[in-house]
Amino acid sequence: DAGITQSPRYKITETGRQVTLMCHQTWSHSYMFWYRQDLGHGLRLIYYSAAADITDKGEVPDGYVVSRSKTENFPLTLESATRSQTSVYFCASSEARGQGNHEQYFGPGTRLTVT
Amino acid sequence: QQQVKQSPQSLIVQKGGISIINCAYENTAFDYFPWYQQFPGKGPALLIAIRPDVSEKKEGRFTISFNKSAKQFSLHIMDSQPGDSATYFCAASMTGGYQKVTFGTGTKLQVIP
Repeated sequence: DAGITQSPRYKITETGRQVTLMCHQTWSHSYMFWYRQDLGHGLRLIYYSAAADITDKGEVPDGYVVSRSKTENFPLTLESATRSQTSVYFCASSEARGQGNHEQYFGPGTRLTVT
Repeated sequence: QQQVKQSPQSLIVQKGGISIINCAYENTAFDYFPWYQQFPGKGPALLIAIRPDVSEKKEGRFTISFNKSAKQFSLHIMDSQPGDSATYFCAASMTGGYQKVTFGTGTKLQVIP
């Protein structure tokens, strides 16, 4: 019963480097999401995906790229990391259960520091 | 654009007291209002949720009060315990919105013995 996992859990990288954060879920949920969590801002949506090969921008997509070739994986790539991307990143998944039930299941998070 | 406003940012409550966190929303198309609880080092997890056709939902010591006309909802934690110390996020979503959830900025609750 793995649920949703993220790797790595901690990452330190330098400005300008490319970084990929991994997310894997075992429930076959259709929907997956990437958030960043920053003090004073709560959880802000970066990108989301409604199914394999279907992705769309969220509230703060600049500087990030996603892909979803398989239902269970949703990697997030920072193409050229900047200090402003230092944050805690959460992956989440969800399955449509009819009107008014949009529970999301979150992974444990990745703490990323850009130096 | 902050569509869900949450207050206070932090809250200290004595053990046994009542913790109250308030949220307000703007988009009347929202039809699902969950609260998420997050412990340090963990991801958020759904605590309790309400739909706008009811004014109150209670689960154990946790109660959501919902005021549709005022576009406000709140979380009440009765008999607060040190184990309730966590960050709480209110949120809102709408049917047909690709399961997307808009979160408030969070309230860090500390329950002191």
